[in-house]
Amino acid sequence: KQEVTQIPAALSVPEGENLVLNCSFTDSAIYNLQWFRQDPGKGLTSLLLIQSSQREQTSGRLNASLDKSSGRSTLYIAASQPGDSATYLCAVPGQAGTALIFGKGTTLSVSS
Amino acid sequence: DGGITQSPKYLFRKEGQNVTLSCEQNLNHDAMYWYRQDPGQGLRLIYYSQIVNDFQKGDIAEGYSVSREKKESFPLTVTSAQKNPTAFYLCASSIQPPETAEQFFGPGTRLTVL
Repeated sequence: KQEVTQIPAALSVPEGENLVLNCSFTDSAIYNLQWFRQDPGKGLTSLLLIQSSQREQTSGRLNASLDKSSGRSTLYIAASQPGDSATYLCAVPGQAGTALIFGKGTTLSVSS
Repeated sequence: DGGITQSPKYLFRKEGQNVTLSCEQNLNHDAMYWYRQDPGQGLRLIYYSQIVNDFQKGDIAEGYSVSREKKESFPLTVTSAQKNPTAFYLCASSIQPPETAEQFFGPGTRLTVL
């Protein structure tokens, strides 16, 4: 059964710092991996989707990489800002290939 | 604006009461999903539907029911059989085939048992 783990559970950094969030999954036979952002009390906002044939995707200050063979993905945030404070979730499709299996997230706090 | 809407934003349920959460999308997506989010447990799948008039149970379907009579709508009913329904409920959708597609989420409904 697919399991997704995110480390660390929480992270506090000063504004301007570059940071890396980690995501690992137990079954490497995935179609894709998706990173989301969730603000308190809100729904999920899709940040990046990496297909299994890709190694990385970039959107603005965000860069996500995928290493299927090792079961890992990283989300790199450059020049962090207080507005980046949120919980970041990664997810992969489950066994049926449809609904997502989520990690528990990393809660990021960026101080000014 | 294309997107997913959920209503209500907040919902309160009394003991023994059934309540229905609304989810509507205008993205023309075939697949729709319901997830439940609890603190410290992450998101878990309740039900999903890949096409109109068809739906499948997820990991925690007991005490819940759904219908998919229209492509754009996927309401979730929380029945009195669900003993611990207090949680944040999220609806999502994607194109076909869903295993390669990006999922998009609505703003959520917070359900509280009184």
